[in-house]
Amino acid sequence: SAVISQKPSRDICQRGTSLTIQCQVDSQVTMMFWYRQQPGQSLTLIATANQGSEATYESGFVIDKFPISRPNLTFSTLTVSNMSPEDSSIYLCSVEGPGGEMNTEAFFGQGTRLTVV
Amino acid sequence: AQTVTQSQPEMSVQEAETVTLSCTYDTSESDYYLFWYKQPPSRQMILVIRQEAYKQQNATENRFSVNFQKAAKSFSLKISDSQLGDAAMYFCAYRRGAGGTSYGKLTFGQGTILTVHP
Repeated sequence: SAVISQKPSRDICQRGTSLTIQCQVDSQVTMMFWYRQQPGQSLTLIATANQGSEATYESGFVIDKFPISRPNLTFSTLTVSNMSPEDSSIYLCSVEGPGGEMNTEAFFGQGTRLTVV
Repeated sequence: AQTVTQSQPEMSVQEAETVTLSCTYDTSESDYYLFWYKQPPSRQMILVIRQEAYKQQNATENRFSVNFQKAAKSFSLKISDSQLGDAAMYFCAYRRGAGGTSYGKLTFGQGTILTVHP
């Protein structure tokens, strides 16, 4: 299994500011994923964070708004930039289990509840 | 693109009874995995059960079992002997098989809120 520590667990931010969310894993993983969960909604993939290369963004998400860093195989950050109330969501970090492709289980951090006022 | 549909926004069950949550999906791939995740108010996503598409046998995990109908692209979750701790949001999720650039990504359904009445 993989244990994920995600920080902060929650924050209230002013519009126009930025927040950086950290995701730390207790083992080396190839791929890390960032999801957004808007209030009462399902999870939507923002991007895949790859170590040693730029993140791969899903349709509707751009690097200027959601810059991602992946400096090593156990850590990633997601920044929500120039926030507006529409960015109020839960942001979740996820990793695949040890063993990479052959392990189908995904593990999740506890999420960051962001409120933009 | 793959899609996952959960048509039941809310379900309720009496404690100790059985409830079934529905999920359908659409894919053109033959190799994939299906999952049910539970999200309690703590926000932590918890894997309930998984099913490999190549396996004909339905997966079971204690009180949780699935009815996997590959031809119909249906993947329902049955919770037997429901407990108060089962109350949560349940998400059905799809993941393509190994290989390619998009492995590991999960596509989620809209979720079903399960209420358990004492």
